[in-house]
Amino acid sequence: QKEVEQDPGPLSVPEGAIVSLNCTYSNSAFQYFMWYRQYSRKGPELLMYTYSSGNKEDGRFTAQVDKSSKYISLFIRDSQPSDSATYLCAMSRYGGSQGNLIFGKGTKLSVKP
Amino acid sequence: SQTIHQWPATLVQPVGSPLSLECTVEGTSNPNLYWYRQAAGRGLQLLFYSVGIGQISSEVPQNLSASRPQDRQFILSSKKLLLSDSGFYLCAWGLSRIDTQYFGPGTRLTVL
Repeated sequence: QKEVEQDPGPLSVPEGAIVSLNCTYSNSAFQYFMWYRQYSRKGPELLMYTYSSGNKEDGRFTAQVDKSSKYISLFIRDSQPSDSATYLCAMSRYGGSQGNLIFGKGTKLSVKP
Repeated sequence: SQTIHQWPATLVQPVGSPLSLECTVEGTSNPNLYWYRQAAGRGLQLLFYSVGIGQISSEVPQNLSASRPQDRQFILSSKKLLLSDSGFYLCAWGLSRIDTQYFGPGTRLTVL
């Protein structure tokens, strides 16, 4: 079983839709959870960073962590064509600066105008 | 604010040629630095990380090496490139133990 599983998509939605992106993981020691957005031919950009279980909201983005189910989600409200990108989940035991970030393979999202 | 630079942005090299990719970080001191490779369908692979000048940890045995000659400079090298070295190379930095990693713009390497 892989440590982090993420559906690669592609996921295509109309503009204005609510998007749900998800990752599952197997290591119950993970405590820090991140979502990165990567545009084509660019480096990943940190979108959301959460610790332990719960929700975190930033504008149109909401990150949700359910440690009991080993499941994390990123919701995008009122999706825009500019949200079209690959979304990577990442997680770690210590917060990611110890060289131990585990990444999903990314979900490619396309928002159609 | 902190900024991370990588160069070159794109590179096409023949098999067997040497490689040198450079990464520099501005606006912070003593960052942890990382080199990743991203290949299509394979996700992000951590290659090297460094917690200080001259301190390099290798995650994947291969024909690549890394060096950190200055606090905010990280270099990825190879003496002889292989076809399998093609990919998108990303440098990243991070700070405290509860921080995360921030990525540079990347270098797209094609080995022919």
